[in-house]
Amino acid sequence: EVQLVESGGGLVQPGRSLRLSCAASGFTFDEYAMHWVRQSPGKGLEWVSGIGRYSGSIGFADSVKGRFTISRDNAKSSLYLQMNSLRPEDTALYYCAKARLNWGLLDYWGQGALVTVSS
Amino acid sequence: DIQMTQSPSTLSASVGDRVTITCRASQSITNWLAWYQQKPGKAPKLLIYEASRLESGVPSRFSGSGSGTEFTLTISSLQPDDFATYYCQQYSSYSTFGQGTKVEIK
Repeated sequence: EVQLVESGGGLVQPGRSLRLSCAASGFTFDEYAMHWVRQSPGKGLEWVSGIGRYSGSIGFADSVKGRFTISRDNAKSSLYLQMNSLRPEDTALYYCAKARLNWGLLDYWGQGALVTVSS
Repeated sequence: DIQMTQSPSTLSASVGDRVTITCRASQSITNWLAWYQQKPGKAPKLLIYEASRLESGVPSRFSGSGSGTEFTLTISSLQPDDFATYYCQQYSSYSTFGQGTKVEIK
């Protein structure tokens, strides 16, 4: 059974940093691209970032470009999102999602990690 | 960047109704489009991929069509379990979601 478990969320002040982790199990991690998608309270889904199998293909939404970094450790079956210079508008539930063979088609999702940016 | 525009934003319908949601891309995405269903407090669930392919385990009352820039999700006979929010997503160039369509009880 595929499982994706996010951790690292919490309350952080504007301008500070936070690192999210996603522990994956139930599939061969290094065979699939992985993504982060966020959802602000009461709002829709926003794709944040994605990373290819061996980190060769990486993309970011314009809203986070230059502030967020995505990485993965295939040996640990883990995905990471380093979030710097956080803003109040980054407040959201951050989902980790597994891609199917196509880079961006998301077939399994975690339950999310809540990030609140507030002073 | 590719923008995705969904309509309507809210749809009121009754059990048994035929429901159609539209999604438009700002440029051609061929058929690299997916539809997801999200219920309150839950993660999204994949329903349709490559514009018209039904995900395993999804009821056949769900169908998708379109190519290029215009796409539709149709629920042929709305069931109580279908009241939820639906999102389209392009995965032709990175990824973008539509703003969502909430299907509510009329």
